[in-house]
Amino acid sequence: EPEVTQTPSHQVTQMGQEVILRCVPISNHLYFYWYRQILGQKVEFLVSFYNNEISEKSEIFDDQFSVERPDGSNFTLKIRSTKLEDSAMYFCASIGQPMANVLTFGAGSRLTVL
Amino acid sequence: AQSVAQPEDQVNVAEGNPLTVKCTYSVSGNPYLFWYVQYPNRGLQFLLKYITGDNLVKGSYGFEAEFNKSQTSFHLKKPSALVSDSALYFCAVRGFNDYKLSFGAGTTVTVRA
Repeated sequence: EPEVTQTPSHQVTQMGQEVILRCVPISNHLYFYWYRQILGQKVEFLVSFYNNEISEKSEIFDDQFSVERPDGSNFTLKIRSTKLEDSAMYFCASIGQPMANVLTFGAGSRLTVL
Repeated sequence: AQSVAQPEDQVNVAEGNPLTVKCTYSVSGNPYLFWYVQYPNRGLQFLLKYITGDNLVKGSYGFEAEFNKSQTSFHLKKPSALVSDSALYFCAVRGFNDYKLSFGAGTTVTVRA
């Protein structure tokens, strides 16, 4: 069964450092998402991406965050200058087209900011 | 704005007993409703969805959920719980013209042997 793969599974970084989280969505999917889950809290929407541009973003997704699809397979989330409160599990998800309805999630990347 | 409420942080049941995880939602128009499960150190796995049609939907691992429009609820059920069902369960909703999911806070299910 096709999977969404994410790397790294866990990253530890110092506050103020830049972090890039990588995702390989399912190959024929067109819509891509990043969500995050702070430990013990709900899964929160960050951003959606379609046709090489952001289609929607939440208020969490401020100027410190950016997304990119640098080639035909990867979808990245960059945090420019990490803060302690960025520590969370970050999930990538993809869907073929919205009427397909079911988002497929990756296993997540755990980010720890010290 | 769309939202989901899962009123119980934790549900504890004995193996073999029925399991119910509650979910209510708020969305403009007809809802698309989903249940996902998260095992420790794993991603979110899709369990089942309601889009249209029969109010009782069946999903993976013997789970089912009932859509109740008047009560704006979408409770997850399993007639006979297994220890292996112990996990974190999330209800999610999206509107017809909305391409993102909104999740509830999650319910931790513990099934004791």
